[in-house]
Amino acid sequence: ELQLLESGGGLVKPGGSLRLSCAASHFTFENYVVSWVRQSPGTGLEWLGSISGSAISTYYADSLKGRFSISRDNSKNIFFLQMNNLRVEDSAIYYCATEHWDLRGAYFDNWGQGTLVTVSS
Amino acid sequence: EIVMTQSPATLSVSPGERATLSCRASQTVGNSVAWYQQKPGQAPRVLIYGASTRATGIPARFSGSGSGTEFTLTISSLQSEDSALYYCQQYNKWPPYTFGQGTKLEIK
Repeated sequence: ELQLLESGGGLVKPGGSLRLSCAASHFTFENYVVSWVRQSPGTGLEWLGSISGSAISTYYADSLKGRFSISRDNSKNIFFLQMNNLRVEDSAIYYCATEHWDLRGAYFDNWGQGTLVTVSS
Repeated sequence: EIVMTQSPATLSVSPGERATLSCRASQTVGNSVAWYQQKPGQAPRVLIYGASTRATGIPARFSGSGSGTEFTLTISSLQSEDSALYYCQQYNKWPPYTFGQGTKLEIK
């Protein structure tokens, strides 16, 4: 069974940085495009960005304005979300998810359990 | 960016009855819509993709319909375990992928 496990969440001050990890198991990692999605009470589910299997291509939500970046290490079956200049409104549960391509885009067919990020002074 | 609007915000239905959840896109998305179920403390789980295709292992009482800008998730013969939040997502025009704000389904 394909599994994803996030880690790295916690409490950080505004302006700080945090790197989240998502470890994958039981599937051929480099065959999958993966995304980060976050969820907060105020904004619901928000797609943040994705990275191709080879890491050649990355896509981001415009709202992040370059503060976040996604990378992966296929040799270790892990991928990352680097978050810089964090704001209070970035507080959320952060999920990693694999994409399943369908027609013109992708839905998310496997999700991690999520990791909580709290940005507060 | 395509905005997905779900209605109603909350729906209360008796066991055994049918629930109908709606999702409207701000512009046409063909049939590139997925539906997710989320229970408290859990990650979302995909129920439907391509507007009407059930994902693996999803019971037949869940069905999706629609195309263009109007989409519906129908849950027939509601069971207590169907109490959850339900989200739609479009994947026709991206980035970004966008989700609706969710419908909370309560079982009376």
